[in-house]
Amino acid sequence: EIGMTQSPGTLSLSPGERATLSCRASQSVSTTYLAWYQQKPGQAPRLLIYGASSRATGIPDRFSGSGSGTDFTLTISRLEPEDFAVYYCQQYGSSPLTFGGGTKVEIK
Amino acid sequence: QVQLVQSGADVKKPGASVKVSCKASGYTFTGYYVHWVRQAPGQGLEWMGWINPNNGGTKYAQKFQGRVALTRDTSISTAYMELSGLRSDDTAVYYCTRGEVVTGLDYWGQGTLVTVSS
Repeated sequence: EIGMTQSPGTLSLSPGERATLSCRASQSVSTTYLAWYQQKPGQAPRLLIYGASSRATGIPDRFSGSGSGTDFTLTISRLEPEDFAVYYCQQYGSSPLTFGGGTKVEIK
Repeated sequence: QVQLVQSGADVKKPGASVKVSCKASGYTFTGYYVHWVRQAPGQGLEWMGWINPNNGGTKYAQKFQGRVALTRDTSISTAYMELSGLRSDDTAVYYCTRGEVVTGLDYWGQGTLVTVSS
């Protein structure tokens, strides 16, 4: 099983600031199969990024993903009020599919 | 538009079983796997397994082997997740989600809260 570790656990930032979220896998993950999801309270997760760097349909270009091997990053270039949420990385290349523990981006 | 609509919240006693439904619309049901993911209160996301609606093939997370059954009814484009031997730590929101090889879990149901309590 591939373990996914996200850091930091909580990120306290102000609107307009840049957010950098990290995700580390316990073994190499194909970039084809690394995704990021956003979840707001009381809502289902929403796919943001797939294939490590491709934005899902309708996702604004302030969201970008990068990385390879075991280290991946989600960057939000300028935080909008609606971006404060919990973000999860996930590998879907090998079974079982596994998620990171999440990073909460909160308003400072 | 793609939609996954799940059944409503349920309360069960320890040892009972629960069956959650997930009705798909807006796409060819047999063309995409359906995955199930759960989230305990205040916790992260946990993958449970998938079903291939085309042939009924399944894959389960080892943690749930023997307790979970994923089925489907293609005539009504609906997938089901049945979890047996419920315990208090099975209290969670259960999500169905469409799985696509390239894009991952691209559409999600609204979630179904299952509460296990005596």
